[in-house]
Amino acid sequence: KAGVTQTPRYLIKTRGQQVTLSCSPISGHRSVSWYQQTPGQGLQFLFEYFSETQRNKGNFPGRFSGRQFSNSRSEMNVSTLELGDSALYLCASTTGGYNEQFFGPGTRLTVL
Amino acid sequence: TQLLEQSPQFLSIQEGENLTVYCNSSSVFSSLQWYRQEPGEGPVLLVTVVTGGEVKKLKRLTFQFGDARKDSSLHITAAQPGDTGLYLCAGQSNILGNQFYFGTGTSLTVIP
Repeated sequence: KAGVTQTPRYLIKTRGQQVTLSCSPISGHRSVSWYQQTPGQGLQFLFEYFSETQRNKGNFPGRFSGRQFSNSRSEMNVSTLELGDSALYLCASTTGGYNEQFFGPGTRLTVL
Repeated sequence: TQLLEQSPQFLSIQEGENLTVYCNSSSVFSSLQWYRQEPGEGPVLLVTVVTGGEVKKLKRLTFQFGDARKDSSLHITAAQPGDTGLYLCAGQSNILGNQFYFGTGTSLTVIP
């Protein structure tokens, strides 16, 4: 069974731009969660999608948004990028219950 | 303020030594997970504990969930260089919205 895949793996953007990251969960998994990981703050929860609906949301500004498609693939978007948005963005999938998460390799975003 | 505090933050030991990593909170969790993350990769799930007082063993790793389900520990016996990585605990609670809250992380280096 293929694992969680994320594209792209690396991304360089400049301040003010916007970016879209993609996550394909494990086949059969209906829930996708997004996290931001930085050296200073660790892993911070962004939001979770289940069956195309946002089920949980962390404490991030509205510049961070996401969506989920009918095939469970998910995208997250960050608009008006700031230097502080530089981070490793991770997505994780589960079957839908609040149980074990399986993470993708992440997208390393650098904002210049 | 992090919901889950891990200690120590950094640990550097010689191969063959034993170590314990702690994960503490003032909140009660329904389940608690431990992950290991290597540079440039997403966290990989090691274990999930759900019952207060539960002890799980995974080869040389022993995981314990506190009786009150507020804390957990990870003990590694006879550490090996392959154990090197970032260890993360993550708690989940339906009272806190069901999302996973990650600990601050413990960076372990095992020197051959």
